[in-house]
Amino acid sequence: SYVLTQPPSVSVAPGMTARITCGGDNLRSKNVHWYQQKPGQAPVLLIYYDSDRPSGIPERLSGSNSGNTATLTISRVEAGDDADYYCQVWDSGSDQPVFGGGTKLTVL
Amino acid sequence: EVQLVESGGGLVQPGGSLRLSCTASGFTFSNYAMSWVRQAPGKGLEWVSGVSFGVGSTYYADSVKGRFTISRDNSNDMLYLQMNSLSAEDTAIYYCAKDFRVGAITFAFDVWGQGTVVTVSS
Repeated sequence: SYVLTQPPSVSVAPGMTARITCGGDNLRSKNVHWYQQKPGQAPVLLIYYDSDRPSGIPERLSGSNSGNTATLTISRVEAGDDADYYCQVWDSGSDQPVFGGGTKLTVL
Repeated sequence: EVQLVESGGGLVQPGGSLRLSCTASGFTFSNYAMSWVRQAPGKGLEWVSGVSFGVGSTYYADSVKGRFTISRDNSNDMLYLQMNSLSAEDTAIYYCAKDFRVGAITFAFDVWGQGTVVTVSS
């Protein structure tokens, strides 16, 4: 089955830019979605179709997808961005959605 | 307000069964595909099962195929997950999730419930 690889952790100082990567074979051919999950809460959709934002998601969050890597970029990081982040795709080979293992973003 | 509320979780013995329910409100339920996603303690997200909008084609993760059955009742805005032959590996928070796109199945989820806890243990 298709595998999405995320770094377990990323650390960033407030006000700086955080980049969280998601790797997969020929990932560019798939639509990547990103979710944020805070402790004890349900996930929240941040980005869909690589780079589109649902209403209510701030512009300082953006997504890109090229080659084998998709990237979630969070500009001007705030304390409230401290959370787990998951990428997700639809794997046509198995007819199943697949999540990455998640990245813990720590705001220093 | 668009809302999903799960129920039916609890403690069950290995080999047992449980039926989860998800009550939807605030949107035209029949127009959206729905899924169940679970999260084992301290672990990441795992998609479990999905059903398309309308009549409802069904989809299952390999880990639950043959044991779990997803269904929907569009008349009452309800989503269900019948879980049989449960094992400790099925212990998790189970979330009900709504597809973001009307009249399609994209498996991108814009609304999630708060989850219901399933514990499989003797």
